[in-house]
Formats: sequence, structure tokens, C-alpha cells
Amino acid sequence: QSVLTQPPSVSAAPGQKVTISCSGSSSNIGNNYVSWYQQVPGTAPKVLIYENNKRPSGIPDRFSGSKSGTSATLGITGLQTGDEADYYCGTWDSSLSAYVFGTGTKVTVL
Amino acid sequence: EVQLLESGGGLVQPGGSLRLSCAASGFTFSSYAMSWVRQAPGKGLEWVSTINNSGGSTYYADSVKGRFTISRDNSKHTVYLQMDSLRAEDTAVYYCAKRADSYYFDYWGQGTLVTVSS
Repeated sequence: QSVLTQPPSVSAAPGQKVTISCSGSSSNIGNNYVSWYQQVPGTAPKVLIYENNKRPSGIPDRFSGSKSGTSATLGITGLQTGDEADYYCGTWDSSLSAYVFGTGTKVTVL
Repeated sequence: EVQLLESGGGLVQPGGSLRLSCAASGFTFSSYAMSWVRQAPGKGLEWVSTINNSGGSTYYADSVKGRFTISRDNSKHTVYLQMDSLRAEDTAVYYCAKRADSYYFDYWGQGTLVTVSS
């Protein structure tokens, strides 16, 4: 069972905005960088956000990340059909001495 | 261009062993930590293990500690995962991932499927 909790699913119409929350604790999100990954079914994950709010080159600014205390949030604006995927947060957990992923959130474009 | 190519997956009986390999190219392999992440069918991502750039430090998830061994050969640009005493719950796609300095995974391989079944 993951120590990072995400909503199982979120949905919105094309062009709209969705946010995905990731709730943890002081041993993980509270004191370490958070990253976000997108996984289209049948393919390998891809990093969208690192160090809480930075985007790798090639990732559009429709994707944004933030962190406050022991929670983090991924935002996707201007939703597109190609954004339909599973999204995972991740961070190091200092108490477990392990990298932990969130439970995952399925984004559906209505 | 960074490329990570996993191999070695397949069908193995419970209690058996398997060694996965991940051949890396497109970056200075000896400068970066490498990791294995797995995904059971229909489930989420699970970190398995990480090895530092020199191979001197290794880290494991509790679920595999004592059964799996990560290693690397910097001369061959390859990281390995030796999996012993395999269980049905180890069935998953295993991804090799390059770990960036601030502990996120910036590049991933395509994955290799390991099936543990009699």
C-alpha cells in the first residue's frame, strides 16, 4: 500500500483544467522534491514535473506542479485527448529509505 | 539520445531465478545512479532498487530485500537485476530508469515482462 495518496480518477472536457492531488507526510513530500510521471497505457512512464515545479524540455507549460507542506498538486490546463493517461507522483521517503510512488490517477477527457 | 534497453524477462517457476539487464547509451553512464521500477498487471508503479554511480551503494524495497540484487558494469554501460526466490507477486513489467541528481527518473526503458507461474 502506497504512502502517497492520489484520487483514483479525474475527468473534464477538452480545453478544461484538471488538478491531481498527492498527499503524503513529513518523511516524504514534506522534506523532499516531488516529481510527476505520465503513463499512457502500454507505454513506459515519462517525467512531466521534477523538483516540485520544473518541467523538462519538451513538456508543454499546460502542465504545472506545486507543493505545500505534505501535499503536492499537478495541474493540466487546456485538456487534450492525448492527455488521457495515468499520472503518478513520486518522491524519496527518508523514513523508509525508499522511493515511493503515489497510487496513481486516471485522467479521462470527456 | 538517451536509450535504455532491458532484456532478460520471461516465464519462470516460483522459487526460480532470472537476471535482467539494461544496456544504456547516450549519456555518461558512470556518472549516474540507476534504478529498477516494476508494474504488476493492472497496478501502479513500484520502485524496486537503486544503485549509485560507482556501484558502491545499493537500496532495495522491503518487498525484494534479500531476494534481489542490483549491480552494474560501468565498462559495459549495463545495470543488472538478479532476481532469486521468485514469487507469483513478482510478476510485473520491469523498467530500467536513469536517476537524475535530485532523485527523479528522467529516462525510462521500454520494460521487460517477468511472469512467475507454474
